[in-house]
Amino acid sequence: DAGVTQSPTHLIKTRGQQVTLRCSPKSGHDTVSWYQQALGQGPQFIFQYYEEEERQRGNFPDRFSGHQFPNYSSELNVNALLLGDSALYLCASSLDRADEKLFFGSGTQLSVL
Amino acid sequence: AQSVTQPDIHITVSEGASLELRCNYSYGATPYLFWYVQSPGQGLQLLLKYFSGDTLVQGIKGFEAEFKRSQSSFNLRKPSVHWSDAAEYFCAVAPREASKIIFGSGTRLSIRP
Repeated sequence: DAGVTQSPTHLIKTRGQQVTLRCSPKSGHDTVSWYQQALGQGPQFIFQYYEEEERQRGNFPDRFSGHQFPNYSSELNVNALLLGDSALYLCASSLDRADEKLFFGSGTQLSVL
Repeated sequence: AQSVTQPDIHITVSEGASLELRCNYSYGATPYLFWYVQSPGQGLQLLLKYFSGDTLVQGIKGFEAEFKRSQSSFNLRKPSVHWSDAAEYFCAVAPREASKIIFGSGTRLSIRP
C-alpha cells in the first residue's frame, strides 16, 4: 500500500514563474492538506481539499491555489513566484474530516532563484 | 492567538541517556496535541497524539508525552535514546473541529556516541 506520494521531489524555478506540485493521497484517503515548510521552521498550513472543494485555508496569498481531482489526488499551484516561496512543500492525506491523523509525503523541495 | 512554542532549538544527548523535549501551547480550549518526527529529506511521522483521557500518552519508538493542562505543556520523553532518534521533532496542536494543524518551530535532536 503506497503512502502519500509527491512529485517532483525537487524543482528549481526563477522569480515570476509559475509552478505546479502534485500529490497522490494514501489509498482510501479523501482529504488532502498542503503545508509549506521554510528552512529551519515548522510546517505552515496552506489549505485543505475535501470533495474537490477548498474547505479551509491558512494565511497565504491568492497566488497559492489548488485543486482536487475526482480520484482525490491534488495539485498545488503557485503563481508569480517570489524568492520567499523557496521551501519544502508537504502534502498530507487523511481519511475524513474528523480524523486528525495525517499521513505526510516526503515533500517537494522548491528553490526559487 | 493559537501558537506552539518549542523553547529548545537544538539538544544534544548521549546515546542511552534520557530525553525530554519541551512544548508549550496557547489555545482557547484543550486542543488535540501531537508530536511528529522528521528525518532529513523525509516527511513527518506521527509519534503520538493526545485527544482526551489519560494525560500520559504512549507512542511509537518508545516515546511518551504528558499533557499538563495547568502548565499548557505537552513534553515528549524517552527513557533511553538511540542513535537512530537523531532527527527534528515538532510539537503541534489542532482544534477539535477542524484539521488545520499548527506546528511549533521544531527541536533538532543530536545524539552523542
